[in-house]
Amino acid sequence: NAGVTQTPKFQVLKTGQSMTLQCAQDMNHNSMYWYRQDPGMGLRLIYYSASEGTTDKGEVPNGYNVSRLNKREFSLRLESAAPSQTSVYFCASRETGDAGANVLTFGAGSRLTVL
Amino acid sequence: QKEVEQDPGPLSVPEGAIVSLNCTYSNSAFQYFMWYRQYSRKGPELLMYTYSSGNKEDGRFTAQVDKSSKYISLFIRDSQPSDSATYLCAMNTGGFKTIFGAGTRLFVKA
Repeated sequence: NAGVTQTPKFQVLKTGQSMTLQCAQDMNHNSMYWYRQDPGMGLRLIYYSASEGTTDKGEVPNGYNVSRLNKREFSLRLESAAPSQTSVYFCASRETGDAGANVLTFGAGSRLTVL
Repeated sequence: QKEVEQDPGPLSVPEGAIVSLNCTYSNSAFQYFMWYRQYSRKGPELLMYTYSSGNKEDGRFTAQVDKSSKYISLFIRDSQPSDSATYLCAMNTGGFKTIFGAGTRLFVKA
């Protein structure tokens, strides 16, 4: 089925470990996004990529890096995980033709726990 | 102060009730207003979006935007147990960034 695929779905890390969350979309969307979702905080934008070859910081970029590998794939890396990064991470993509509304298609989420 | 405020609930209603969900915002530059629905342990999915002020209806769902009051609403008529989910309001100025509310948890009891 067409959509946004995230891996892994679950991960437990120890403080200081690193990991990469992978995201791929097969809808030929130009823009891709990484959000985190915490109780009572809603979805907060970490980084986004408006198009292949570009990335920009969102509201909460500290402690994260991203790579837009190609048009389909956008990865999120935690270099040295901290307990404050325990969260559910969502990748999303946006259809080019609907630029103004910025309607997002989300993946199923990746649940990360940092001990 | 958050740019978008949304009561987290939970809101519990009997089946068949009319549900009203609301958000307020502070940024007058917001032009696009969205409602996403998120089932437990799933990603959000778009329910409706509205440009500028006015109403939009889609089946049992109606979205309203009042830019003068910086207030948006989502009404659900004849609510069903399958409507039980978290509803997230979201707003955008027309650029690449979308700001989300915290989400309201809705329970519809059979």
